[in-house]
Amino acid sequence: VHLVQSGAEMKRPGASVKVSCTASGYSFGTYAIHWVRQAPGRTLEWMGWINPGNGDTERSQKFWDRVTITRDTSATVVYMELRSLRSEDTAVYYCARDRDAYYFGSGSCMDVWGKGTTVTVSS
Amino acid sequence: EIVLTQSPGTLSLSPGERATLSCRASQTVSSRYLAWYQQKPGQALRLLIYAASGRATGIPDRFSGSGSGTDFTLTISRLEPEDFAIYYCQQYGNSPRTFGQGTKVEIK
Repeated sequence: VHLVQSGAEMKRPGASVKVSCTASGYSFGTYAIHWVRQAPGRTLEWMGWINPGNGDTERSQKFWDRVTITRDTSATVVYMELRSLRSEDTAVYYCARDRDAYYFGSGSCMDVWGKGTTVTVSS
Repeated sequence: EIVLTQSPGTLSLSPGERATLSCRASQTVSSRYLAWYQQKPGQALRLLIYAASGRATGIPDRFSGSGSGTDFTLTISRLEPEDFAIYYCQQYGNSPRTFGQGTKVEIK
């Protein structure tokens, strides 16, 4: 089981970024994929998840109006787009898979993580 | 949201010693939905413990988790050189899922 993320991004304030996470080694539609970020020197912050089977999502209230999580089932890729970037969004963004199949929502932690995508927001 | 407070912030120990890490929640963590992760520079996060005390696949038995309600503990019975890292607890029973601020286990 692998999650491979896209490369580092550098963006200006106000721009958008779209990070990808390519899954392999398991049945793509049966495990939720989460997005978690970590700003420099800070703890981990959960952003949201997607059910790759039907596209249902849940987002943290903190990012409600700025983040979109989508998927491409044919390519087994999950995307996270963050809009209206500000300097505080500078962070490493991780995708992670639920440990348990069909636990869309609460009740399953994350057992496989991507290595992270560094997003730098600077003018 | 549930706030998780980890203590201590840093633990300075020698290889072979026992490490005890604490995670306290601001409210009851439902169904013991509490996990522990290990983070090392340049590596993907590693799930150690799920459901407060279940050891994840491939995790050595020197790692153990305990607790319920609002108080949880990760114990490393005998520290190996590869165990020096940052450890995070996470609750996944309520939305938003939240993480503690981490405990760094460093070589004394």
